[in-house]
Amino acid sequence: GQSLEQPSEVTAVEGAIVQINCTYQTSGFYGLSWYQQHDGGAPTFLSYNALDGLEETGRFSSFLSRSDSYGYLLLQELQMKDSASYFCAQSNYGQNFVFGPGTRLSVLP
Amino acid sequence: SAVISQKPSRDICQRGTSLTIQCQVDSQVTMMFWYRQQPGQSLTLIATANQGSEATYESGFVIDKFPISRPNLTFSTLTVSNMSPEDSSIYLCSVASTGELFFGEGSRLTVL
Repeated sequence: GQSLEQPSEVTAVEGAIVQINCTYQTSGFYGLSWYQQHDGGAPTFLSYNALDGLEETGRFSSFLSRSDSYGYLLLQELQMKDSASYFCAQSNYGQNFVFGPGTRLSVLP
Repeated sequence: SAVISQKPSRDICQRGTSLTIQCQVDSQVTMMFWYRQQPGQSLTLIATANQGSEATYESGFVIDKFPISRPNLTFSTLTVSNMSPEDSSIYLCSVASTGELFFGEGSRLTVL
């Protein structure tokens, strides 16, 4: 089956910028989305890319390069509340979504 | 956006029993997705529920273990049958809109 790759953990300090990378499988690829999940909560949507380039939504931005089968989530001006797990998810033409393994972000004071 | 309500939000179940999780969406949708998230893990798609047809199951998931109903365009149920401790997970209902998935609050099942 399809598999996506993400770093398992990232640590950064408040106010910093962090980039979480994601590589995906090209077969049937339609777009790449990102989700945040706090402990005990459900995933919530952050950003989506179907075309190459950068999508900016407040402090969060997402980038996609279809030629490299690669994307990233950029978090700026980190806050303590950003400590959570972040998942990339590949959407396919069959309209199903496959999730990456997740990256646990720890923001330190 | 879509608002999704799931119940139960959590339950403790005995080995060998079955539990049905309900998912209600505030708008009509063609496809509803059921995911499982085991402790500390990512989300794994169990099946896609289409109204008026059999659910489509992913590799490793079978209808006898996870029967799904989809009686109309706003409602679906997932049953976890003959539970074992390995079924202890969060089960999530979701719907999609142009690359974005909306999730219910999840149903956290603990099987003893």
